[in-house]
Amino acid sequence: RKEVEQDPGPFNVPEGATVAFNCTYSNSASQSFFWYRQDCRKEPKLLMSVYSSGNEDGRFTAQLNRASQYISLLIRDSKLSDSATYLCVVKNDYKLSFGAGTTVTVRA
Amino acid sequence: EPEVTQTPSHQVTQMGQEVILRCVPISNHLYFYWYRQILGQKVEFLVSFYNNEISEKSEIFDDQFSVERPDGSNFTLKIRSTKLEDSAMYFCASSEGGQVRVRNEQFFGPGTRLTVL
Repeated sequence: RKEVEQDPGPFNVPEGATVAFNCTYSNSASQSFFWYRQDCRKEPKLLMSVYSSGNEDGRFTAQLNRASQYISLLIRDSKLSDSATYLCVVKNDYKLSFGAGTTVTVRA
Repeated sequence: EPEVTQTPSHQVTQMGQEVILRCVPISNHLYFYWYRQILGQKVEFLVSFYNNEISEKSEIFDDQFSVERPDGSNFTLKIRSTKLEDSAMYFCASSEGGQVRVRNEQFFGPGTRLTVL
């Protein structure tokens, strides 16, 4: 079983729409959770950490369900600039384990 | 805003040659990492480094790889004898904290694209 599994998409949504996607992770002892975004052939950029109680950062809301080993990301009021690959990332000790990414394209 | 920097941005080498990839982590960060991403694949962990020691490494990080912090600012990855399959984007990252759950966010540099011919 892969350490982190994500729906690859692509999700193709109009500007202003809400889009949500999720990932699952295999190691129940995982300590920290993140969403990164990656633009084509660029470095992963930290979008937000994910906390057990759920957290919000502007238009982005992340949820963590430790019992189901499931992490979600919701983007409200999508902008063209939100077009990217979103990487679900799980941390164990020092190491980050990345999912393969979910591609989101926001169209005008 | 402080950022991780990496040089060169692109390195082309012949199979069997040694390469050194360089990184300057964010100045108050204590933990340093190398990751790689083969084209079209996911980002993979190679190694973490703290207090002049490797703290964790993956199966990919075999005897052909080594890391060093030669001075107070640089962090390097050396590949002794490159193979075709080493062609990838190599990302350096750094963080304030390590295993702890606070200040453990890792920030990535722009990467070095390594092409082995």
